[in-house]
Amino acid sequence: GAVVSQHPSWVICKSGTSVKIECRSLDFQATTMFWYRQFPKQSLMLMATSNEGSKATYEQGVEKDKFLINHASLTLSTLTVTSAHPEDSSFYICSASLGQADTEAFFGQGTRLTVV
Amino acid sequence: QQQVKQSPQSLIVQKGGISIINCAYENTAFDYFPWYQQFPGKGPALLIAIRPDVSEKKEGRFTISFNKSAKQFSLHIMDSQPGDSATYFCAASGDNFNKFYFGSGTKLNVKP
Repeated sequence: GAVVSQHPSWVICKSGTSVKIECRSLDFQATTMFWYRQFPKQSLMLMATSNEGSKATYEQGVEKDKFLINHASLTLSTLTVTSAHPEDSSFYICSASLGQADTEAFFGQGTRLTVV
Repeated sequence: QQQVKQSPQSLIVQKGGISIINCAYENTAFDYFPWYQQFPGKGPALLIAIRPDVSEKKEGRFTISFNKSAKQFSLHIMDSQPGDSATYFCAASGDNFNKFYFGSGTKLNVKP
């Protein structure tokens, strides 16, 4: 299957700083990527849809000014958590697909963010 | 609002037994229902998926049963093995392919 890679796998940052997480599709082009957040022992919650060359679409309740998404190329989407606070500590996961019917969505390995 | 409801929250099964996880949805626009397996600290990996035009799909030890009228689907793991111990998520998507709504997850523990 196709490979989606996230970087970094884990990061610790100080409260008030910003953190950037990268999501790359390594062997295919993805016009659409999705960002999810997962709190411990909970489900994945869709945060936003990242569209190449256009603005991201955010789910209800997700602050677009806090979670900045950039999809500058067909193989890279970035999520920047701005002015991070301890409550932003979570597991962030991206997914990408070919965007066609009946095609599998491939998930990255996730990024564990801890804000101290 | 939880778009997809999943049960049970946790499940303990003896090696060789059958593990059954259930999901239900409300949005009739959903037309793709995958199941994902997730190990701690890792991203989800696709196990098996189904569309509403069939009532059952089997791949190896994994079977999805789908009841369109009841808006329910379930995952059956036959001959469960300790290596199957993980968290399982059902999901659903509609006209925006691969934009998934996940169930709350089921932590499966298969005892040797």
